[in-house]
Amino acid sequence: RKEVEQDPGPFNVPEGATVAFNCTYSNSASQSFFWYRQDCRKEPKLLMSVYSSGNEDGRFTAQLNRASQYISLLIRDSKLSDSATYLCVVNPGRGGFKTIFGAGTRLFVKA
Amino acid sequence: EPEVTQTPSHQVTQMGQEVILRCVPISNHLYFYWYRQILGQKVEFLVSFYNNEISEKSEIFDDQFSVERPDGSNFTLKIRSTKLEDSAMYFCASSEGRSSGWSGANVLTFGAGSRLTVL
Repeated sequence: RKEVEQDPGPFNVPEGATVAFNCTYSNSASQSFFWYRQDCRKEPKLLMSVYSSGNEDGRFTAQLNRASQYISLLIRDSKLSDSATYLCVVNPGRGGFKTIFGAGTRLFVKA
Repeated sequence: EPEVTQTPSHQVTQMGQEVILRCVPISNHLYFYWYRQILGQKVEFLVSFYNNEISEKSEIFDDQFSVERPDGSNFTLKIRSTKLEDSAMYFCASSEGRSSGWSGANVLTFGAGSRLTVL
């Protein structure tokens, strides 16, 4: 099983649509979870951290299910500018330094 | 906004040559990282560095790779004898701290990357 696994997509959605991405991780002891966004040929940039209680930042909602080792990202009212690759990121914590990136889910938002 | 800076942005080298990629992490960050991304593939962990020593490395980070913090600001990645398969984007990142119960301490801020092309 891969350390961090994501649906590669691509997801092709119209503007205004709601889209959800899923991610699973293999290390049950993982402590910190994030969603990053990566534009073509650019560096990954933090979109949001993921907290156990779930958290929301504007149109973006992240959920964590530790029992199922599952993380999700929901994007509401998609914009053209949301087109990017979304990376699920897991940090083992407890002294671990090896933050692991999923392969990413590609999103295309069309007018 | 503080940023991680990397040089060069693009380097072309011949197979077998040595390459040094440079990074200036965010000044109050304590943890430094190198990642690589082969075109079209995932971001892969290479190495983490804390308190002037390697704290963790991946199986990719073999004897041809080394890292150094030669002064108080720079963090370098050296590839001793480049191979064709080393062609990739190399990202430097830094973070404030590791696991402390606050996930923000583990947020990685990335530089814009150094694209390495080995011919």
